[in-house]
Amino acid sequence: KNEVEQSPQNLTAQEGEFITINCSYSVGISALHWLQQHPGGGIVSLFMLSSGKKKHGRLIATINIQEKHSSLHITASHPRDSAVYICAGLLYNTDKLIFGTGTRLQVFP
Amino acid sequence: DTEVTQTPKHLVMGMTNKKSLKCEQHMGHRAMYWYKQKAKKPPELMFVYSYEKLSINESVPSRFSPECPNSSLLNLHLHALQPEDSALYLCASRRGTGPTDSGNTIYFGEGSWLTVV
Repeated sequence: KNEVEQSPQNLTAQEGEFITINCSYSVGISALHWLQQHPGGGIVSLFMLSSGKKKHGRLIATINIQEKHSSLHITASHPRDSAVYICAGLLYNTDKLIFGTGTRLQVFP
Repeated sequence: DTEVTQTPKHLVMGMTNKKSLKCEQHMGHRAMYWYKQKAKKPPELMFVYSYEKLSINESVPSRFSPECPNSSLLNLHLHALQPEDSALYLCASRRGTGPTDSGNTIYFGEGSWLTVV
C-alpha cells in the first residue's frame, strides 16, 4: 500500500463541472503539496497546506490533519485545467516528499 | 526570480558516454532535489542536498553521481547508463527551514528528457 494514495486515477469532465480529487496519507507529514504537471513535463506547485483550507482563483485545497486526508477542488473547470494533479506529503522533520500516484484530469469543451 | 533552470532539455546518450545534467536556482534555497520520472508514474526521489551536503540517497546506482558545487548549482553526472534509465529527470528546490509556507513551497524545473541508446 502506498503511503500517499490518490483517487480517482483518471477523471474526465465537461467544461464548467466541479471537480474533486482526493488524497489520503498514512505517514506523519509536516505539509502536503498539491502539484500540477502538464504533458510537457514541468511541475508547478499549486498549494502547500499544513492545516485548514486555501483558495487561489478557481482552485481550493483543504486538509484534515486528524483524518489524514486532503482534497483539491476545481470550480468551473476549463479545458486548460487538463493535466496530472499530484499530491505529495513532506515527511515530518525531513526534506523528503512522498508522492501520490497522480490523477489524470481531462476537461472537454 | 522563482525559477529552477535545468539544462539540457533533451539529451540522447550512448551506454558508454559520460554526460551531465545541470540545475540552477537563485532563490537562496538550501534544499535541492533530483527526481526521476518514468511515463505515467509519479516522480521518484533520487537525491537530496541540504546546505550543499548530500542528505538523502535513495539507493541510487553509482552510475548516477550527484554533485553540489555551490548553493545555487546541482549537477547529476551520468556514466555507463542503461536504456531503462531513459526518463524525465526533474530538479527541485525548497527554502526548507521551519513550517512556514515560504519555507516549504517547492519549485520544480522543467526537467531534462534523457534517452539512453
